[in-house]
Amino acid sequence: DAMVIQNPRYQVTQFGKPVTLSCSQTLNHNVMYWYQQKSSQAPKLLFHYYDKDFNNEADTPDNFQSRRPNTSFCFLDIRSPGLGDAAMYLCATSPGPGAYEQYFGPGTRLTVT
Amino acid sequence: AQTVTQSQPEMSVQEAETVTLSCTYDTSESDYYLFWYKQPPSRQMILVIRQEAYKQQNATENRFSVNFQKAAKSFSLKISDSQLGDAAMYFCAYREAAGNKLTFGGGTRVLVKP
Repeated sequence: DAMVIQNPRYQVTQFGKPVTLSCSQTLNHNVMYWYQQKSSQAPKLLFHYYDKDFNNEADTPDNFQSRRPNTSFCFLDIRSPGLGDAAMYLCATSPGPGAYEQYFGPGTRLTVT
Repeated sequence: AQTVTQSQPEMSVQEAETVTLSCTYDTSESDYYLFWYKQPPSRQMILVIRQEAYKQQNATENRFSVNFQKAAKSFSLKISDSQLGDAAMYFCAYREAAGNKLTFGGGTRVLVKP
C-alpha cells in the first residue's frame, strides 16, 4: 500500500548534468513538499506546493526547480548538480496545513560524481 | 522565525527501560502544533505523536508520551519500555496553526541496547 512513492531510490549523476527526481502519491493530498536531507541532519525544506500554488523557501538555490503537473505527481529538477547537492531528497504530502500529519516517501539518494 | 532545538545528539537506552528526548522551540505564536517524527535507518520518516498547543493535556500514543510545557516552550518525548525497533533518529518539529511548513530540530539518535 505505497502512499508516497519516489523514483528512483538511488540516482547517480555527473557534475553539471541535469537530473530529475520524481514523487507520486495515492493519497490525493493537496500539499506536496520536497526536502533535502544530508547525513545525520534534519530535513531542509526546499519548496512546497499547495495545490498549484508554488512556495519557494528563501534560501533554496536557483539550481533547484519543481513542477507539479497534477495532484498526484511532483518533480524536483536540479539543473546543474554540484558535489554539494549530494544528499537524500525526501518527498512528503499532507492533506493541508496545521495539525495535519506529513507523509514521507522513502527518499531518493542522489550521488554526484 | 521559529526555531526548534534538540540538545541531545544521541541517547542510549537499555531495552525495556525508559528514555526521554528533549526539545525546545521558539515562537511568538500562540496557536501551533508540535510533532515528533521517527526516521529508522534506511526507512521512511513516520509520525510518532502530535500535540496541539491549545490543549493542556499531554498527548499519549501507546508507549510514547510527551511532556508539553507551553510557557517554557518545551516539548519532550518519553519512550517507555524501549524496544529494539525504537532505534532511530527522532526529530521534533513545529508547525504554525495555519501553516504548511514544518520546522525541524536537529534530531536525536536513539540507540537501544539489548
